[in-house]
Amino acid sequence: KAGVTQTPRYLIKTRGQQVTLSCSPISGHRSVSWYQQTPGQGLQFLFEYFSETQRNKGNFPGRFSGRQFSNSRSEMNVSTLELGDSALYLCASSLEYGPEAFFGQGTRLTVV
Amino acid sequence: SQQGEEDPQALSIQEGENATMNCSYKTSINNLQWYRQNSGRGLVHLILIRSNEREKHSGRLRVTLDTSKKSSSLLITASRAADTASYFCARNTGGFKTIFGAGTRLFVKA
Repeated sequence: KAGVTQTPRYLIKTRGQQVTLSCSPISGHRSVSWYQQTPGQGLQFLFEYFSETQRNKGNFPGRFSGRQFSNSRSEMNVSTLELGDSALYLCASSLEYGPEAFFGQGTRLTVV
Repeated sequence: SQQGEEDPQALSIQEGENATMNCSYKTSINNLQWYRQNSGRGLVHLILIRSNEREKHSGRLRVTLDTSKKSSSLLITASRAADTASYFCARNTGGFKTIFGAGTRLFVKA
């Protein structure tokens, strides 16, 4: 069974640009969660999707958004990038919701 | 911050020694989990303990949970160099949201 796949693995963007990250969950998993990981703030919850519906979101500005498609694949978008958005963005999937989540390898975003 | 506190922040031990990491939290939980992360990669689920359980074992891992003290500990016995990683506790309080601690960086010297 294939694991959680995140694309791209690495990304360099310029301040002010926008970026879209993709996450393909494990087959059959319908819950997808996104996290931002930085050295200073650790792992911060961004949002969780289930059956194309956002069920919870963390304390991030509106520049951070996401969606989930009918095949459970999910994307997150960050608009008007800031230097502080540089981070490892992790996606996790689970059957319904947790408690065990399976993580992808992450997308390393660098904003310059 | 909603994050729990983990200590120590970093731990360096010799191969064969035991490693103990602690996690404290502030709100009630449904369950608590421990994850491992190798050098900026994805997290790997290690073990889950439910709020009505006090101790769980999985191979060389032993997790305890004290809900009265709002704390948990992860013990890795007979550590190996391959155990070098960051370890995170994560708690689920309901509401489709999991809160991660700041993590403990473990370094096992061969």
